Amino acid sequence: GQSLEQPSEVTAVEGAIVQINCTYQTSGFYGLSWYQQHDGGAPTFLSYNGLDGLEETGRFSSFLSRSDSYGYLLLQELQMKDSASYFCAVRKNQAGTALIFGKGTTLSVSS
Amino acid sequence: DAGITQSPRHKVTETGTPVTLRCHQTENHRYMYWYRQDPGHGLRLIHYSYGVKDTDKGEVSDGYSVSRSKTEDFLLTLESATSSQTSVYFCATAKRTGDETQYFGPGTRLLVL
Repeated sequence: GQSLEQPSEVTAVEGAIVQINCTYQTSGFYGLSWYQQHDGGAPTFLSYNGLDGLEETGRFSSFLSRSDSYGYLLLQELQMKDSASYFCAVRKNQAGTALIFGKGTTLSVSS
Repeated sequence: DAGITQSPRHKVTETGTPVTLRCHQTENHRYMYWYRQDPGHGLRLIHYSYGVKDTDKGEVSDGYSVSRSKTEDFLLTLESATSSQTSVYFCATAKRTGDETQYFGPGTRLLVL
């Protein structure tokens, strides 16, 4: 089988730092991506890790440890607009880009 | 943003009727995908296409078929809609092999009564 596990909900206050973890168990693995979705709208790409380590994009960073089948998304200097759902997704195939998504983490940021 | 549109945006239909959802892209992206999103399940891949007339099944393909006769259009057909197919359907595209970004359309809300 294949599964991606992430917390269903996370709450934080403005200005804080929050980490959303993702553990995966899949029959193939070529990388871990993160997507953001506001209020059921179109998901948007945030970051990708194909190799172990940390990738930084502004206030957002993503980490991958392939030996632990684990990654996380780190959001710093939280803002109210960061309230959204965040999905991790695994690319299983070397060719093509089909993704398997986790069930998503709802982040609520309060003032 | 990639130019991805979906039609219709909302649809109510009855059990047993055929339904076709259309995804149209103006970016000449090679790959196209159909996902469904349901509470508690996240996004699940239904079918995808890696070129004109080249398609493959995803996680939840039963009851769905797809066609891609030209680069810009990817159609999803529910041959005989069931209530379990009530969902939000998202189309997505990707430029080429190795490009990790998928671009999503605005979604289609389908209600099967």
